[in-house]
Amino acid sequence: QSVLTQPPSVSAAPGQRVTISCSGSSSNIGNNLVSWYQQLPGTAPKLLIYENNKRPSGIPDRFSGSKSGTSATLGITGLQTGDEADYYCGTWDSTLSAVLFGGGTKLTVL
Amino acid sequence: EVQLVQSGAEVKKPGEFLRISCKGSGYSFTNYWITWVRQMPGRGLEWMGGIDPTDSYVNYSPSFQGHVTISADRSISTAYLQWSSLKASDTAIYYCARHPYLTAPFDYWGQGALVTVSS
Repeated sequence: QSVLTQPPSVSAAPGQRVTISCSGSSSNIGNNLVSWYQQLPGTAPKLLIYENNKRPSGIPDRFSGSKSGTSATLGITGLQTGDEADYYCGTWDSTLSAVLFGGGTKLTVL
Repeated sequence: EVQLVQSGAEVKKPGEFLRISCKGSGYSFTNYWITWVRQMPGRGLEWMGGIDPTDSYVNYSPSFQGHVTISADRSISTAYLQWSSLKASDTAIYYCARHPYLTAPFDYWGQGALVTVSS
């Protein structure tokens, strides 16, 4: 069981908006920056959001990130079938001195 | 173009030694840490540890400390992950990724290397 808690799955129709939550504690999300990764089927993960809400070059603004207290949220608007993937949150844990990933959330675009 | 190219798939027996590699190109290798991430079949991502190629300092995840060895050869821009005695439970895809400092996000990833351990 991961220290960072994500819902196992979320789904929405094309064009709709979806949010994915990531819940942690003061030793990780509460005092460190959060990143989000997208893993398309059969491929390596890709950085989607860093420093809570910043997008790397090439990531469309349909993807957004936010953080409040010990939780973070990934938002995706204008859903496309190509967004079907597993999404992981990640951050540093100051107590464990380790990088943590959430358990992952499978997004299905119906 | 930044690239992390990993060595190919491996099939090994329990108890055998294995070292897999990750070669960086398109950037200054010593300016970025290399991290290793495990993904067991059908499971999520697990951080194993990272190495600073500048001085080969390694920070291991407590979950993997003592079970694997991470190293790097900056002269050939390559990082390594090795096992001295494999177990069936080591069967997984292993990814390398780079980051500018230990707690930074992973901005480029290797393609992954499938390791299968079976008798």
